[in-house]
This record gives sequence, C-alpha cells and structure tokens, in this order.
Amino acid sequence: DAKTTQPNSMESNEEEPVHLPCNHSTISGTDYIHWYRQLPSQGPEYVIHGLTSNVNNRMASLAIAEDRKSSTLILHRATLRDAAVYYCILRKTYNTDKLIFGTGTRLQVFP
Amino acid sequence: GAGVSQSPSNKVTEKGKDVELRCDPISGHTALYWYRQSLGQGLEFLIYFQGNSAPDKSGLPSDRFSAERTGGSVSTLTIQRTQQEDSAVYLCASSPRVGEQFFGPGTRLTVL
Repeated sequence: DAKTTQPNSMESNEEEPVHLPCNHSTISGTDYIHWYRQLPSQGPEYVIHGLTSNVNNRMASLAIAEDRKSSTLILHRATLRDAAVYYCILRKTYNTDKLIFGTGTRLQVFP
Repeated sequence: GAGVSQSPSNKVTEKGKDVELRCDPISGHTALYWYRQSLGQGLEFLIYFQGNSAPDKSGLPSDRFSAERTGGSVSTLTIQRTQQEDSAVYLCASSPRVGEQFFGPGTRLTVL
C-alpha cells in the first residue's frame, strides 16, 4: 500500500483558514486520496476525497498537486469543532475497500 | 436515519476470557469493516466483509480473533482468551456498494 506522510500536529486560530498537507510520493494512477477526521472520543468521519481534480464540499476543499504526489486539505474557516486528528489515506478504488490509517495530523484550534 | 451502532459501549474482562463485540451496520450497506485503536494510536484494520464474498481477514492479529457477519447485516467480532494487549477501542464501519465508510462509536475493551 502506498504511504502518506503528514505533520504530527498543527495549530490554528478560530475563523482562520487551515491548510493540512499530505505527501504521497508513491501514489499510483488508480489511487484515490481520501481524508477522514476523528474528533475526540468519536469514530472517524469522512471529510472528502479526490482523484486528480480539486474538490469542494460543505466541509472542506481538497487541492491535489498536478503530479498527484501531494495534496492539501483546506478548512476555509476553522472552528473549535474542527479540532481533531485528520487522516490522509490512499485507497485503491472509490468502491468498498479497507482504509489504511497513518498517524494523521492533530489539529488544535484556539479561540 | 440510524447510524452504525455497536454494543456494548464498554467491556471490562479478565485475561483469558472470551469476549464478543457486536456491530449493527446501516441498513442496506453491503460492506462492513472492523478496526481497532489502541490508546494514543492510529486505527488498525482488522477484517472486511463485502456482500457474499469471502472476507478479507488480512488484518487479524492472531487466530484468537474471528468475526462473522450473519445474513449480510449484523457482525460479531470474537476475541478468545483475551490478553492485556487486546485492550483497545474496537470500531466498526459500514459503507454502501460505493462510497465512504460510516463509523460507529466503538466498543472500549479493557482486559485486566
């Protein structure tokens, strides 16, 4: 399985944008880039996914480098509720498949 | 609608005892997954069921761990002869044929 590399932790102030980076230099052409987050004492929740083009949804935006070796999850206005561990995961298909979680990035949001 | 539910929410057991953890997936979801998360660690894949296909058991850490899914719905994860290193939060997730995984709240297992 292709690996992802993320910073261990990041900090942000409330209502500021947050850019969470992920490196995946060994990504293959069929790997989708998925992001999940885990709030304290909860199971993970899906955030966003993409293949080649940038993606937007109500939670976040995903910017994918042209060579696909890196991507960035963008939270446009961080709130205290966005404090969580964010996981960048490569998945062979968009269909059903197991998720291989790394250590993720712990995001702290300050008021 | 109802999400993924798991029971019990907490389980304390003694070393050497068997435990069963239950997962009720979202109705209609064909895929079901088990993961575990040890204290302060990331999530570790255990097993994956997809429809009537043979399950992917590649993540089970030992033969003390087994899981079944009856009628394509409810799943039970069984740990035999529990050890202290089995203490973790066990998370279940389900997904439709195509789509993201929806996680349950987990079962916190403590082996004394």
